[in-house]
Amino acid sequence: DTGVSQNPRHKITKRGQNVTFRCDPISEHNRLYWYRQTLGQGPEFLTYFQNEAQLEKSRLLSDRFSAERPKGSFSTLEIQRTEQGDSAMYLCASSPDSFNYGYTFGSGTRLTVV
Amino acid sequence: DAKTTQPTSMDCAEGRAANLPCNHSTISGNEYVYWYRQIHSQGPQYIIHGLKNNETNEMASLIITEDRKSSTLILPHATLRDTAVYYCIVRRPGYNAGNMLTFGGGTRLMVKP
Repeated sequence: DTGVSQNPRHKITKRGQNVTFRCDPISEHNRLYWYRQTLGQGPEFLTYFQNEAQLEKSRLLSDRFSAERPKGSFSTLEIQRTEQGDSAMYLCASSPDSFNYGYTFGSGTRLTVV
Repeated sequence: DAKTTQPTSMDCAEGRAANLPCNHSTISGNEYVYWYRQIHSQGPQYIIHGLKNNETNEMASLIITEDRKSSTLILPHATLRDTAVYYCIVRRPGYNAGNMLTFGGGTRLMVKP
């Protein structure tokens, strides 16, 4: 297990199209997080899973965004009817249950909406 | 969660110690201080965390003041590869709190030859 894997690394899409990103966390990590990062800013929290349960969602996560984590393994983040403002780096992170560990982040998926 | 304040940018000479300050004057008694860094085009990387005692690992040392209102991350011998944005984050424990990290603007550390 080499860490958190995110696919694709880059995605260019036309406004109005739907896109889906995938995150494969570290296998023994129960917790999975999605963040969004725009240029020059720190990452912003989007949503959090404990196993397959989605336990928290930021108000940044509009109705066009949906995330799933079937069977508590990989996770997908879908954006419907993309807008230019959705252009950002989408980061996934995972962590064990213990509070004494930091998150392990993936390298992210860079989305460009044209 | 308590808010943190960090300088926007800092320079450090290669081979010297880099000392990155963080102010968290409103920190609560059960909140931890975490440090992450983000190298260009990569996801953030966990460095170290602590509650009130100083901590050291293979990457860095974390010095937390006695009143816990500020802390300093020390990279003992900075290299060019340490050039990154460094984030100081205060985080409270607890399953129901979500444990999410709240990132601020961070400090952009430039290590120069």
